Amino acid sequence: EIVLTQSPGTLSLSPGERATLSCRASQSVSSSSLAWYQQRPGQAPRLLIYGASSRATGIPDRFSGSGSGTDFTLTISRLEREDFAVYYCQQYGSSYSFGQGTKLEIK
Amino acid sequence: QVQLMQSGDEVKKPGSSVKVSCKTSGGTFSIYTFSWVRQAPGQGLEWIGRIIPIFGAANHAQKFQGRVTFTADASTNTAYMELSSLKSEDTAVYYCARSSVLEWVLLANGDYYYYSMDVWGKGTTVTVSS
Repeated sequence: EIVLTQSPGTLSLSPGERATLSCRASQSVSSSSLAWYQQRPGQAPRLLIYGASSRATGIPDRFSGSGSGTDFTLTISRLEREDFAVYYCQQYGSSYSFGQGTKLEIK
Repeated sequence: QVQLMQSGDEVKKPGSSVKVSCKTSGGTFSIYTFSWVRQAPGQGLEWIGRIIPIFGAANHAQKFQGRVTFTADASTNTAYMELSSLKSEDTAVYYCARSSVLEWVLLANGDYYYYSMDVWGKGTTVTVSS
């Protein structure tokens, strides 16, 4: 099983700032099969990024994904209040597994 | 707009079973796979398993071996997950999530290629308590 480790656990930023979230895999993720999900309180997760860098339908372009192999990054260029939530990375190159999540909170 | 409609919340006794349904509206049922993901209170996401309705194939995470069953009914566009021998640790929100298949690729281990989960149900809360 591929284990995903996200960092930091909690990120405190202000609206308008840039957020950088990291996801590291215990072994290489094949075909860049890495996705990012956003989960707001009381809601189901929502797909943001798939294939490491492709935005899902309807996702604003302030969200971007990058990386390959074992190191992946989600960047939110200018934070809006609705972006404060928990973010999960997921690999789907070898079955499925999720990272433990990064909580993005308002500073 | 595609939606996944899940069955209602459940309260179960330890040792019993629960069956959760997930009905899809819109889209062609046969080109999707359906995963089940759970989230214990205050915790992260945990993949339970998935079903591929067009092949009738299913697999699951090792920790659920012997306790989980996945089925699908193409006539009603509904996927099901049944979890047995419930324990208090199974208390969680259970989500179904759809993956749109671009291409059916058979992997070396006999499984099929995985895709990201593009549509999620709202979740079903299962509470296990005596």
